[in-house]
Amino acid sequence: DTGVSQDPRHKITKRGQNVTFRCDPISEHNRLYWYRQTLGQGPEFLTYFQNEAQLEKSRLLSDRFSAERPKGSFSTLEIQRTEQGDSAMYLCASSLMETGELFFGEGSRLTVL
Amino acid sequence: DAKTTQPPSMDCAEGRAANLPCNHSTISGNEYVYWYRQIHSQGPQYIIHGLKNNETNEMASLIITEDRKSSTLILPHATLRDTAVYYCIPTMDSNYQLIWGAGTKLIIKP
Repeated sequence: DTGVSQDPRHKITKRGQNVTFRCDPISEHNRLYWYRQTLGQGPEFLTYFQNEAQLEKSRLLSDRFSAERPKGSFSTLEIQRTEQGDSAMYLCASSLMETGELFFGEGSRLTVL
Repeated sequence: DAKTTQPPSMDCAEGRAANLPCNHSTISGNEYVYWYRQIHSQGPQYIIHGLKNNETNEMASLIITEDRKSSTLILPHATLRDTAVYYCIPTMDSNYQLIWGAGTKLIIKP
């Protein structure tokens, strides 16, 4: 399978714990995006990388959130001190440069108890 | 940023053409219109995009009005597997940051 893969698919954690999600994009794609989606809403942009450089971050991305793409390949999204409001689906997508055609993974669903 | 208006839900009979409208009256001249869909519990899937001309691919056709203030996505022969939320998304800027609304929930009925 050469699509975008995300891990884990589901994560249940207690409030205050840290969680990390991993995304493996399509190998030749330069851009990698993170989105968050809550029930009944469209995805909300969080951040994106062009190769290893993080070029834009949404105001939604508080200081408890950090994303990395150290070698321009896979990416991680870490949430520290999780809150119940962080419960959502976290979607990763990748694309070639300068196109709106994004390829999404299946998402990582986070539930904070 | 261009704002979009889509009906919250639509029904269509299996085998018929599904026509999904989108209003984007504030779209700028260099903004494309992208369409995605999201089947329940899956990530969004790209369908088609266009600027001025009508476009067709193996999944759908996109009709854009001459004034570019609205567009229609056409699924020519809808199947039950086309049940999904469909998003109409003008691009925000040259970095192609997509701004997603709530979309249209399309239900295909047997």
